[in-house]
Amino acid sequence: QQQVKQSPQSLIVQKGGIPIINCAYENTAFDYFPWYQQFPGKGPALLIAIRPDVSEKKEGRFTISFNKSAKQFSLHIMDSQPGDSATYFCAASWGNTPLVFGKGTRLSVIA
Amino acid sequence: GAGVSQTPSNKVTEKGKYVELRCDPISGHTALYWYRQSLGQGPEFLIYFQGTGAADDSGLPNDRFFAVRPEGSVSTLKIQRTERGDSAVYLCASSFRGGTEAFFGQGTRLTVV
Repeated sequence: QQQVKQSPQSLIVQKGGIPIINCAYENTAFDYFPWYQQFPGKGPALLIAIRPDVSEKKEGRFTISFNKSAKQFSLHIMDSQPGDSATYFCAASWGNTPLVFGKGTRLSVIA
Repeated sequence: GAGVSQTPSNKVTEKGKYVELRCDPISGHTALYWYRQSLGQGPEFLIYFQGTGAADDSGLPNDRFFAVRPEGSVSTLKIQRTERGDSAVYLCASSFRGGTEAFFGQGTRLTVV
């Protein structure tokens, strides 16, 4: 049973576009929702995270939107650049439990 | 060091051999996690340490896998009688305490031939 479902599996956007990656979860106990960025041959790097007491969080060009009633959250990348081409993972956890990850979205930003 | 350090970066071993993978967490981080990542998949949880003790080892796939963290800092993941299916990238992460931001190392790519 996959606890965090991520879509799409892959995404291609033009430079300057706004890719949107979505995640859905089932466990209502989850209270921490981070997004990680991973380049080939590297470990995942924490990008941005949100807790359920807010519906949106922005850090630079990255925005998380959170819908508690729908049990969904999404990542938006404003003014995307070729350097943003990477695999993005959503994750979730609650309390001290380890993160549970989605299967990832491979993003390609083409010039 | 400033980040999580994992050694070796790459390890090739023969089927049936024993391997040890090392993780050096960020200084002061009490929580340490091991994950396994197969090609095209997200990281899958293996084991979580809080200090020296394993707080959750429910992700270890079988008794060939074992991990230790004797002094509450460096951790070693040990795999006995390796199988080709164990080939993956093994990731280590640490956080100040459980439930806070987790930072990953670059991983160890294990190939069992």
